[in-house]
Order: sequence, then C-alpha cells, then structure tokens
Amino acid sequence: GQQLNQSPQSMFIQEGEDVSMNCTSSSIFNTWLWYKQDPGEGPVLLIALYKAGELTSNGRLTAQFGITRKDSFLNISASIPSDVGIYFCAGLNQGGKLIFGQGTELSVKP
Amino acid sequence: DTGVSQDPRHKITKRGQNVTFRCDPISEHNRLYWYRQTLGQGPEFLTYFQNEAQLEKSRLLSDRFSAERPKGSFSTLEIQRTEQGDSAMYLCASSLFVNQPQHFGDGTRLSIL
Repeated sequence: GQQLNQSPQSMFIQEGEDVSMNCTSSSIFNTWLWYKQDPGEGPVLLIALYKAGELTSNGRLTAQFGITRKDSFLNISASIPSDVGIYFCAGLNQGGKLIFGQGTELSVKP
Repeated sequence: DTGVSQDPRHKITKRGQNVTFRCDPISEHNRLYWYRQTLGQGPEFLTYFQNEAQLEKSRLLSDRFSAERPKGSFSTLEIQRTEQGDSAMYLCASSLFVNQPQHFGDGTRLSIL
C-alpha cells in the first residue's frame, strides 16, 4: 500500500534556528499537504501543494512539492516557541483520501 | 466561519459497550472523512462520504463500525461491542470537493476500560 516516510522523527532546536523536515513516498501523489498538530487537538492545515516543483510559503513556512511527485519538504525559518508540535506530511490520493506520514515532533528551546 | 465540530471530545467506556460520535463538517462541504489516530502515529483513513453516499471503507473498519451521513450534513460513527484496541483518537475532516484540502476537527478521544 501507499506509505509516507517522514524524517527526522523528532528535532530539538534552539529558538531562532531554522528547521527542515522532509517526506518521501513510494507512490506518486498529485497533491501534498503539510499539517501541524498540537496535543489533544486535530491537525491544522499549514500548506497545500498542487504542482510538481511548486514552492509555496505561508509566513515563516516554506514547502516544496518534489519534481518526481514522490517527495516534499517543509522549512520553518526563525523558529519560535509556539512552533512546538507534531508536523505531518500527507499525500492526497486519487480517491481523495489522505495518506499521512508518521510525523516529525518539534521541540523548541527558548 | 465555523470549522469542523466533533462531539464528544472525550469518551470513556467499558469494554463491550456501544459508542457513537458525531461530526459536523464545515457548511457546504460535500466530502466528509473519518480517520483514526493512535499514539505516535499519523491519522489513518477509515471511510468517507460524498454528500450522503458512503463511497469507500477501509479494511480497518470492521463490521462493528458503522458510519452514516443521513442528510448529507452531519455524520455519526458508531462502534458496537467496543474492544481495547478501539482506544484511539477519532478524527473527522471535510473538504469542498474531492481534490481540495481537508480540514480537521479536534477529534473524539475514546478510552476503553
């Protein structure tokens, strides 16, 4: 079946540092999404990518849809304490269901 | 603009009991999805609706699970004869059309004693 591999699994960084995380797939996806989830809450959409090669920003967040359509990365610049949480990549398959990665847990030290 | 709403937020029940969860999607969203999330994992797809029609069910959805969306608006997910392994966060999401981003509710956390 379709699987997404996210790396790293967890990151511990200092406030102000930049962060990069990525996601690879064994299958092609036509849409990639990045979500952030805080404890006890549902995932919140950060960025949606629709075209191979597309680079999209949302404030301090930048994400790219890989040319092969099998990978994506998310960068966070100048991290702040409220960036703490779990970041999930997800591929949207033909049927419209999301396939999620295992998540990257981000911890930010003030 | 109200987001996806789920009720209850938490449910604790004894093994063998039946439970029902409700999801109210974003208004005018045609598609409604149910996912299950266990600790340390990403959400896993369970089932989805296009208006009132249930179009796909995952193999994760045993016959103890049933979902409905009777008027194409809110949806319910029922689990009969709950088991320990059913303990998880049950998430609902909705989207305007099939290839549009899905927006999630805050989930129902189910704990089986």
